[in-house]
Amino acid sequence: DAGITQSPRHKVTETGTPVTLRCHQTENHRYMYWYRQDPGHGLRLIHYSYGVKDTDKGEVSDGYSVSRSKTEDFLLTLESATSSQTSVYFCAISEGLAGSSYEQYFGPGTRLTVT
Amino acid sequence: AQSVTQLGSHVSVSEGALVLLRCNYSSSVPPYLFWYVQYPNQGLQLLLKYTSAATLVKGINGFEAEFKKSETSFHLTKPSAHMSDAAEYFCAVSKAAGNKLTFGGGTRVLVKP
Repeated sequence: DAGITQSPRHKVTETGTPVTLRCHQTENHRYMYWYRQDPGHGLRLIHYSYGVKDTDKGEVSDGYSVSRSKTEDFLLTLESATSSQTSVYFCAISEGLAGSSYEQYFGPGTRLTVT
Repeated sequence: AQSVTQLGSHVSVSEGALVLLRCNYSSSVPPYLFWYVQYPNQGLQLLLKYTSAATLVKGINGFEAEFKKSETSFHLTKPSAHMSDAAEYFCAVSKAAGNKLTFGGGTRVLVKP
């Protein structure tokens, strides 16, 4: 298994509070991603990173911010959580090298409930 | 923009029967295609991938998929279902390195004894 951990694994928070989710990898992969999973929608990309301090938005980035100060860590922050952000959040990593096969490896997920 | 359509959000098969999960994609360039499996309360695990080599791709756990450009399809099959195949399956497409994945909505497979 790819060395990806997510913390916390479960979190319940109240509307309006800030929340930070952490993704940590031990593979030294260049690319890291944050997805959310909701029934019927598959996984949708929130933000991704293509290097330290290099990030970009995905298709559902409103209400989320990210930071990557080290290769191994990618943080997802909900500045002011809303009930619509109740979801399961997955981190993924990818080598992103020319000639690599582009698959992504996923972490175990964080279940976030906003009450 | 890329999109992926998985026909059928739920599929029920008998143990020992053929598993067929359908995936159609739209992409403006030759795609890279993936099937992932998700067991309950777990992350996604790569089943197989198509990256412009052989059009028939074999993966783990006896699954295979065939890339058909003319039909823009990448259907997943397994000749004989096992109880352990009960899971949710996701088809995904990527255009290139930088490799943002676009996922289908998923198909949940139920295996009946």
